[in-house]
Amino acid sequence: DAGVTQSPTHLIKTRGQQVTLRCSPKSGHDTVSWYQQALGQGPQFIFQYYEEEERQRGNFPDRFSGHQFPNYSSELNVNALLLGDSALYLCASSFGGQGDTQYFGPGTRLTVL
Amino acid sequence: TQLLEQSPQFLSIQEGENLTVYCNSSSVFSSLQWYRQEPGEGPVLLVTVVTGGEVKKLKRLTFQFGDARKDSSLHITAAQPGDTGLYLCAGEAPYNFNKFYFGSGTKLNVKP
Repeated sequence: DAGVTQSPTHLIKTRGQQVTLRCSPKSGHDTVSWYQQALGQGPQFIFQYYEEEERQRGNFPDRFSGHQFPNYSSELNVNALLLGDSALYLCASSFGGQGDTQYFGPGTRLTVL
Repeated sequence: TQLLEQSPQFLSIQEGENLTVYCNSSSVFSSLQWYRQEPGEGPVLLVTVVTGGEVKKLKRLTFQFGDARKDSSLHITAAQPGDTGLYLCAGEAPYNFNKFYFGSGTKLNVKP
């Protein structure tokens, strides 16, 4: 049973570019959440997808957008990259409602030069 | 500003010592989770506490949820080098499914 997988592992971009990160949830999970973890900080909630719709959103600008596909996999898109977007981007999957266990993927390390 | 404040930020101890990590907030959470994160990996869930005053034990780790569900502690007895890592607490916002607010973490180093 594969856990949460993310791709790519590492990514280097320059300011102003756009990036797409991908996540496949754990088998049987229907909810995907995305987090940004800056160096030395805890993860910050970006948004959550359920039934192909954004269900929750954290305090992130519209440059951050996402999508969930019918197979529950998800993408995180960031436009007009800034140096401050450099971080580890984590995807977490869970099933359904409140309090369910989230399982995190290994993350994608994004560096913006 | 972090919704959840963790203390201490860094802890370096000798194998066999005991330690306590604190997670405090002025907000009420419907549940609180503790994670451990190794370098280059995602956080791994250790425990979820839901009821105010709840105490859970996981081998040498003891977790407590405050009576008012605003704070929590993690106590490790007889720490081992394998306990080294970043310990994160995360509170689940009431009425928001799986929306978690993380603390900035406590980096623990256990020296042999």
